[in-house]
Amino acid sequence: SQTIHQWPATLVQPVGSPLSLECTVEGTSNPNLYWYRQAAGRGLQLLFYSVGIGQISSEVPQNLSASRPQDRQFILSSKKLLLSDSGFYLCAWNRGAQGAVGNEQFFGPGTRLTVL
Amino acid sequence: EDQVTQSPEALRLQEGESSSLNCSYTVSGLRGLFWYRQDPGKGPEFLFTLYSAGEEKEKERLKATLTKKESFLHITAPKPEDSATYLCAATFYNFNKFYFGSGTKLNVKP
Repeated sequence: SQTIHQWPATLVQPVGSPLSLECTVEGTSNPNLYWYRQAAGRGLQLLFYSVGIGQISSEVPQNLSASRPQDRQFILSSKKLLLSDSGFYLCAWNRGAQGAVGNEQFFGPGTRLTVL
Repeated sequence: EDQVTQSPEALRLQEGESSSLNCSYTVSGLRGLFWYRQDPGKGPEFLFTLYSAGEEKEKERLKATLTKKESFLHITAPKPEDSATYLCAATFYNFNKFYFGSGTKLNVKP
Protein backbone atom coordinates (compact mmCIF):
# COMPACT_ATOMS: atom_id res chain seq x y z
CA SER A 1 0.00 0.00 0.00
CA GLN A 2 1.03 3.60 -0.51
CA THR A 3 2.07 5.94 2.29
CA ILE A 4 2.88 9.63 2.24
CA HIS A 5 5.03 11.30 4.89
CA GLN A 6 5.58 14.93 5.75
CA TRP A 7 7.93 16.53 8.23
CA PRO A 8 8.16 18.32 10.40
CA ALA A 9 4.61 18.18 11.79
CA THR A 10 4.83 21.65 13.31
CA LEU A 11 7.29 24.48 12.84
CA VAL A 12 7.67 27.94 14.35
CA GLN A 13 10.03 30.22 12.46
CA PRO A 14 10.97 33.91 12.69
CA VAL A 15 10.31 36.27 9.80
CA GLY A 16 13.22 36.29 7.37
CA SER A 17 14.42 32.79 8.21
CA PRO A 18 14.71 30.00 5.61
CA LEU A 19 12.27 27.11 5.23
CA SER A 20 12.51 23.52 4.09
CA LEU A 21 9.54 21.14 4.23
CA GLU A 22 9.90 17.59 2.98
CA CYS A 23 7.42 15.12 1.58
CA THR A 24 8.08 11.51 0.59
CA VAL A 25 5.83 8.84 -0.88
CA GLU A 26 6.26 5.09 -0.46
CA GLY A 27 4.74 2.21 -2.35
CA THR A 28 4.37 3.75 -5.79
CA SER A 29 6.57 4.97 -8.61
CA ASN A 30 6.46 8.05 -10.84
CA PRO A 31 3.68 9.77 -8.90
CA ASN A 32 2.46 13.29 -9.48
CA LEU A 33 3.29 15.36 -6.41
CA TYR A 34 1.60 18.49 -5.09
CA TRP A 35 2.10 21.20 -2.47
CA TYR A 36 -0.94 23.03 -1.08
CA ARG A 37 -1.36 25.70 1.57
CA GLN A 38 -4.49 25.97 3.67
CA ALA A 39 -5.27 29.12 5.65
CA ALA A 40 -7.37 28.75 8.80
CA GLY A 41 -10.95 27.82 7.89
CA ARG A 42 -10.26 28.01 4.18
CA GLY A 43 -9.89 25.70 1.20
CA LEU A 44 -6.68 24.45 -0.35
CA GLN A 45 -4.49 26.74 -2.46
CA LEU A 46 -2.36 24.88 -4.98
CA LEU A 47 1.24 26.09 -4.79
CA PHE A 48 3.25 23.67 -6.94
CA TYR A 49 2.85 20.38 -8.70
CA SER A 50 5.29 18.03 -10.36
CA VAL A 51 4.75 15.28 -12.92
CA GLY A 52 8.34 14.05 -12.80
CA ILE A 53 11.86 14.57 -11.46
CA GLY A 54 12.97 18.15 -12.04
CA GLN A 55 9.57 19.13 -13.50
CA ILE A 56 7.86 21.78 -11.38
CA SER A 57 4.79 23.86 -12.21
CA SER A 58 4.28 26.98 -10.10
CA GLU A 59 0.75 28.17 -9.57
CA VAL A 60 1.20 31.17 -7.28
CA PRO A 61 3.97 33.81 -7.61
CA GLN A 62 5.52 34.19 -4.17
CA ASN A 63 8.71 33.68 -2.22
CA LEU A 64 8.33 29.90 -2.11
CA SER A 65 9.98 27.37 -4.39
CA ALA A 66 9.74 23.62 -4.85
CA SER A 67 12.12 20.93 -5.97
CA ARG A 68 11.85 17.24 -6.77
CA PRO A 69 15.33 15.74 -6.45
CA GLN A 70 14.08 12.13 -6.47
CA ASP A 71 11.06 10.36 -7.91
CA ARG A 72 9.17 10.17 -4.61
CA GLN A 73 10.55 13.23 -2.82
CA PHE A 74 9.12 16.73 -2.98
CA ILE A 75 10.61 19.69 -1.11
CA LEU A 76 9.10 23.11 -0.41
CA SER A 77 11.56 25.90 0.35
CA SER A 78 11.90 29.56 1.04
CA LYS A 79 14.97 31.75 1.47
CA LYS A 80 13.17 34.33 3.64
CA LEU A 81 9.83 33.68 5.31
CA LEU A 82 7.08 36.29 5.50
CA LEU A 83 4.32 36.55 8.08
CA SER A 84 1.86 35.69 5.31
CA ASP A 85 3.56 32.32 4.80
CA SER A 86 1.95 30.99 7.98
CA GLY A 87 -0.51 28.19 7.34
CA PHE A 88 -1.07 24.47 7.06
CA TYR A 89 1.04 22.95 4.29
CA LEU A 90 -0.16 19.76 2.68
CA CYS A 91 1.61 17.44 0.31
CA ALA A 92 -0.40 15.14 -1.94
CA TRP A 93 0.21 12.53 -4.62
CA ASN A 94 -1.71 10.78 -7.36
CA ARG A 95 -0.96 8.26 -10.05
CA GLY A 96 0.88 9.86 -12.91
CA ALA A 97 0.20 9.43 -16.62
CA GLN A 98 -3.14 7.69 -16.09
CA GLY A 99 -5.47 10.27 -17.57
CA ALA A 100 -8.52 11.50 -15.74
CA VAL A 101 -9.79 8.15 -14.44
CA GLY A 102 -8.35 6.99 -11.14
CA ASN A 103 -6.29 10.12 -10.53
CA GLU A 104 -7.70 11.03 -7.11
CA GLN A 105 -5.20 12.68 -4.79
CA PHE A 106 -4.06 11.33 -1.44
CA PHE A 107 -2.81 13.69 1.21
CA GLY A 108 -0.12 13.63 3.84
CA PRO A 109 -0.66 14.62 7.48
CA GLY A 110 0.43 18.23 6.90
CA THR A 111 2.88 20.69 8.45
CA ARG A 112 1.62 23.54 10.62
CA LEU A 113 3.90 26.54 9.99
CA THR A 114 3.78 29.63 12.18
CA VAL A 115 5.90 32.61 11.18
CA LEU A 116 6.46 35.11 13.99
CA GLU B 1 -13.21 33.75 -10.61
CA ASP B 2 -13.69 30.72 -8.37
CA GLN B 3 -13.83 27.50 -10.35
CA VAL B 4 -15.41 25.45 -7.55
CA THR B 5 -17.90 26.79 -4.99
CA GLN B 6 -19.27 24.97 -1.97
CA SER B 7 -22.37 25.76 0.07
CA PRO B 8 -23.27 26.21 2.80
CA GLU B 9 -20.06 27.31 4.53
CA ALA B 10 -21.28 25.73 7.75
CA LEU B 11 -24.08 23.33 8.60
CA ARG B 12 -25.38 22.31 12.00
CA LEU B 13 -27.54 19.20 12.19
CA GLN B 14 -29.13 17.17 14.90
CA GLU B 15 -28.15 13.54 15.00
CA GLY B 16 -30.38 11.69 12.53
CA GLU B 17 -31.30 14.84 10.57
CA SER B 18 -30.44 14.18 6.91
CA SER B 19 -29.17 16.94 4.63
CA SER B 20 -27.10 17.70 1.54
CA LEU B 21 -23.93 19.65 0.80
CA ASN B 22 -23.49 21.36 -2.55
CA CYS B 23 -20.46 21.73 -4.82
CA SER B 24 -20.87 23.70 -8.05
CA TYR B 25 -18.31 24.38 -10.77
CA THR B 26 -18.16 27.11 -13.40
CA VAL B 27 -15.75 25.73 -15.97
CA SER B 28 -16.80 23.36 -18.74
CA GLY B 29 -14.87 20.21 -19.55
CA LEU B 30 -15.10 18.48 -16.19
CA ARG B 31 -12.75 15.51 -15.96
CA GLY B 32 -13.32 14.46 -12.35
CA LEU B 33 -15.17 15.60 -9.22
CA PHE B 34 -13.72 14.55 -5.86
CA TRP B 35 -15.03 14.63 -2.30
CA TYR B 36 -12.83 14.66 0.80
CA ARG B 37 -13.37 14.71 4.52
CA GLN B 38 -10.98 16.76 6.69
CA ASP B 39 -10.75 16.56 10.46
CA PRO B 40 -9.16 19.46 12.38
CA GLY B 41 -5.38 19.52 12.09
CA LYS B 42 -5.25 16.61 9.63
CA GLY B 43 -4.86 16.12 5.93
CA PRO B 44 -7.98 15.54 3.79
CA GLU B 45 -9.19 11.96 3.53
CA PHE B 46 -10.40 10.78 0.13
CA LEU B 47 -14.08 9.78 -0.08
CA PHE B 48 -15.38 9.63 -3.67
CA THR B 49 -14.59 10.32 -7.31
CA LEU B 50 -17.32 11.03 -9.86
CA TYR B 51 -16.64 11.31 -13.60
CA SER B 52 -19.90 11.76 -15.47
CA ALA B 53 -23.35 13.28 -14.94
CA GLY B 54 -25.75 10.80 -13.38
CA GLU B 55 -23.04 8.91 -11.56
CA GLU B 56 -23.56 8.08 -7.87
CA LYS B 57 -21.24 6.65 -5.20
CA GLU B 58 -22.11 5.53 -1.67
CA LYS B 59 -20.20 4.85 1.51
CA GLU B 60 -21.99 4.21 4.79
CA ARG B 61 -24.18 7.29 5.45
CA LEU B 62 -22.70 9.29 2.57
CA LYS B 63 -23.86 9.40 -1.02
CA ALA B 64 -22.32 11.58 -3.72
CA THR B 65 -24.11 12.50 -6.93
CA LEU B 66 -23.10 14.48 -10.00
CA THR B 67 -25.00 16.59 -12.54
CA LYS B 68 -23.63 18.68 -15.40
CA LYS B 69 -23.08 21.73 -13.16
CA GLU B 70 -22.88 20.50 -9.58
CA SER B 71 -22.38 17.67 -7.15
CA PHE B 72 -24.19 16.86 -3.95
CA LEU B 73 -22.99 15.01 -0.89
CA HIS B 74 -26.03 13.58 0.82
CA ILE B 75 -25.71 12.63 4.47
CA THR B 76 -28.38 10.26 5.72
CA ALA B 77 -29.11 10.01 9.46
CA PRO B 78 -25.78 11.61 10.44
CA LYS B 79 -23.97 10.80 13.66
CA PRO B 80 -21.70 13.08 15.73
CA GLU B 81 -18.64 11.30 14.29
CA ASP B 82 -19.61 12.64 10.85
CA SER B 83 -18.69 16.12 12.08
CA ALA B 84 -15.84 17.41 9.90
CA THR B 85 -15.12 19.76 7.01
CA TYR B 86 -16.10 18.31 3.65
CA LEU B 87 -14.11 19.50 0.65
CA CYS B 88 -14.82 19.04 -3.00
CA ALA B 89 -12.35 19.39 -5.83
CA ALA B 90 -12.53 19.21 -9.61
CA THR B 91 -10.19 18.70 -12.53
CA PHE B 92 -10.92 20.12 -15.95
CA TYR B 93 -8.87 20.18 -19.16
CA ASN B 94 -5.64 19.65 -17.24
CA PHE B 95 -6.50 16.55 -15.24
CA ASN B 96 -3.35 16.96 -13.15
CA LYS B 97 -4.50 20.29 -11.71
CA PHE B 98 -7.09 20.20 -8.93
CA TYR B 99 -9.37 23.10 -7.99
CA PHE B 100 -10.69 22.96 -4.43
CA GLY B 101 -13.74 24.59 -2.92
CA SER B 102 -13.51 26.31 0.45
CA GLY B 103 -15.36 23.49 2.20
CA THR B 104 -18.48 22.94 4.29
CA LYS B 105 -17.97 22.59 8.02
CA LEU B 106 -20.49 20.07 9.30
CA ASN B 107 -21.38 19.87 12.99
CA VAL B 108 -23.69 17.05 14.08
CA LYS B 109 -25.12 17.47 17.56
CA PRO B 110 -26.11 14.39 19.61
